[in-house]
Amino acid sequence: DTAVSQTPKYLVTQMGNDKSIKCEQNLGHDTMYWYKQDSKKFLKIMFSYNNKELIINETVPNRFSPKSPDKAHLNLHINSLELGDSAVYFCASSPRDRYYNSPLHFGNGTRLTVT
Amino acid sequence: AQSVTQPDIHITVSEGASLELRCNYSYGATPYLFWYVQSPGQGLQLLLKYFSGDTLVQGIKGFEAEFKRSQSSFNLRKPSVHWSDAAEYFCAVGASAAGNKLTFGGGTRVLVKP
Repeated sequence: DTAVSQTPKYLVTQMGNDKSIKCEQNLGHDTMYWYKQDSKKFLKIMFSYNNKELIINETVPNRFSPKSPDKAHLNLHINSLELGDSAVYFCASSPRDRYYNSPLHFGNGTRLTVT
Repeated sequence: AQSVTQPDIHITVSEGASLELRCNYSYGATPYLFWYVQSPGQGLQLLLKYFSGDTLVQGIKGFEAEFKRSQSSFNLRKPSVHWSDAAEYFCAVGASAAGNKLTFGGGTRVLVKP
């Protein structure tokens, strides 16, 4: 009974391809996120959705497009992949509270390698 | 904008010894502070959090952290380290004005010697 699950776990692809990463949470949370962890382990938020509505959109190239079909799912589609997109991508979720301070629950990550 | 600094990239500690990981934050108002642990190939797991009240907070796995406003620090401690504590540790700061956007430090890798 995984709380936040991502697929695939590993993704190896060539430059210029388009790929998607899927994320699902069964915690009943309202808010979901995508974080990118680079090769130096630095974690940076990319997007956040609350009840299918985009609330955080950091300075991410528009080749990255999140899609939230319902509040339990947040997928990440990446067009025209570049070498610099190689990283580990983490999905996370949290309940929404009025102070926006709920801890995040993370998936196990998707390691994307672009060759 | 908030920021987090973890000055130590690597720390090696002997099993049974004490551990302290440093975290310094920058934020204009009262921050929400978190410590997460990441084991190899895994996602991040919450160890503990500070929102308000008692400045010494207890977490899981025997960890604790102390919030010191005067030093803008939120250091993580464990009295006696176990081999299973070898992992990457991340400090993070959140702010309600940012819509729960957590800003993470660069992480500290902990190695445990037998």
